[in-house]
Amino acid sequence: AQRVTQPEKLLSVFKGAPVELKCNYSYSGSPELFWYVQYSRQRLQLLLRHISRESIKGFTADLNKGETSFHLKKPFAQEEDSAMYYCALSGRRGAQKLVFGQGTRLTINP
Amino acid sequence: GAGVSQTPSNKVTEKGKYVELRCDPISGHTALYWYRQSLGQGPEFLIYFQGTGAADDSGLPNDRFFAVRPEGSVSTLKIQRTERGDSAVYLCASSFGTGGYNEQFFGPGTRLTVL
Repeated sequence: AQRVTQPEKLLSVFKGAPVELKCNYSYSGSPELFWYVQYSRQRLQLLLRHISRESIKGFTADLNKGETSFHLKKPFAQEEDSAMYYCALSGRRGAQKLVFGQGTRLTINP
Repeated sequence: GAGVSQTPSNKVTEKGKYVELRCDPISGHTALYWYRQSLGQGPEFLIYFQGTGAADDSGLPNDRFFAVRPEGSVSTLKIQRTERGDSAVYLCASSFGTGGYNEQFFGPGTRLTVL
C-alpha cells in the first residue's frame, strides 16, 4: 500500500531556529518523493523533489530509503516560511498520481 | 501565462442535488488530475486524464462521481445525489505528458458544501 505519514499536524518554532518537518512513507518499489507548500491564500505548489537534490528557499530534504523517510529541513527559519507543508509520493513510471500526507502547519514566531 | 483555473470557487448545494465542477488546465498540458481535500487532510487522488481518456479512475469513491474531458482540455467533475460527506475542496492539477515525472500545477480549488 502507498502511504505517507506526517506525524505532526502543527509545528511552531521561533525565527532563526532550525526546522525539521517529518515525513515517512510506505511504497513497494522506488517512489519519487516531494514536498508541496501552501502559503496563506495561495494555491498548492511544489517546493522540492528528492530527485533534483536542490535547496529551495533554504530547505533541503534527503531521501533515506532505510528509514523510508523524507524529512524537510531548514537551518534558520524565517517568518515567511509559515505555511502548510505536504509530503507526497508518486510512482516513477506511467500515471503519476500523487499520494499526500495529511500535512503539517508550520508557524514561525517572531 | 494563466495557471490552472477552477470554477466555481465556491458551491453550496443541498443533499441529493447534482453538481458540476469545472477545471481549465494550463494550455499545452496533456495530463489533468482531480483531487479531493477534506478538512484537516491532505489532497486525495480521484482521477487522472491523459488527453481525453481517463488513465486512472481508481480514486473515485463510488459511482456517484464521474469526470469527463471530451476535447482533451477542459474537464468537468460531476457528482450525482450529493451527500454531506462530499463536502470538501476539490482540486484540479495539470502537467505535461507522461514519460518521467512532470510537475503538477494546482488550481485554487472549488469549495463544495453540501447542506
